[in-house]
Amino acid sequence: GQNIDQPTEMTATEGAIVQINCTYQTSGFNGLFWYQQHAGEAPTFLSYNVLDGLEEKGRFSSFLSRSKGYSYLLLKELQMKDSASYLCAVLANQAGTALIFGKGTTLSVSS
Amino acid sequence: GAVVSQHPSWVICKSGTSVKIECRSLDFQATTMFWYRQFPKQSLMLMATSNEGSKATYEQGVEKDKFLINHASLTLSTLTVTSAHPEDSSFYICSATTGEVTQYFGPGTRLLVL
Repeated sequence: GQNIDQPTEMTATEGAIVQINCTYQTSGFNGLFWYQQHAGEAPTFLSYNVLDGLEEKGRFSSFLSRSKGYSYLLLKELQMKDSASYLCAVLANQAGTALIFGKGTTLSVSS
Repeated sequence: GAVVSQHPSWVICKSGTSVKIECRSLDFQATTMFWYRQFPKQSLMLMATSNEGSKATYEQGVEKDKFLINHASLTLSTLTVTSAHPEDSSFYICSATTGEVTQYFGPGTRLLVL
């Protein structure tokens, strides 16, 4: 079966660094996505990893280890506006097919 | 970047009525569109995959006669919730792809069935 696990909730303070982990077990693998979703809104794309290693994009970085079935999203210099749900999603089949989503991690950033 | 729109953004209807939700790719042609449903504090669950000009492929447990999907063109897919009931109240999100890896999500439609 397909399974994607991530923590349900996390809290952090402004200016801090937070790491959101995601582990996956899927029948196939063609890349892992991280999306940010504010309440009542559609997900917005943050990152895509298909090869092992770290991808850095401004305050956000994403890491992938295919052998371990593991990824993390690293958020630096946290801001209040980063309070949102972060979704880990796997493209298990070829490009153009549906994503499999984890349940999401709700991040609350306080001052 | 690629833009996907959904209409309406929210709808309230009486139990037993049908509701149509449109998903449009505004600046690209989408070979495939996906319909997801999201209940509160839950993740996105794929309902069906829609390819232009062919019948949609539904996920297990999704009633194809209740959730009618039409993908009439490369820029438009519609989801009709027939005879809606309160348990159908949810956040419906579509996404579109040109066949590449990236999917572009619409802003979602919030449905409340009274």
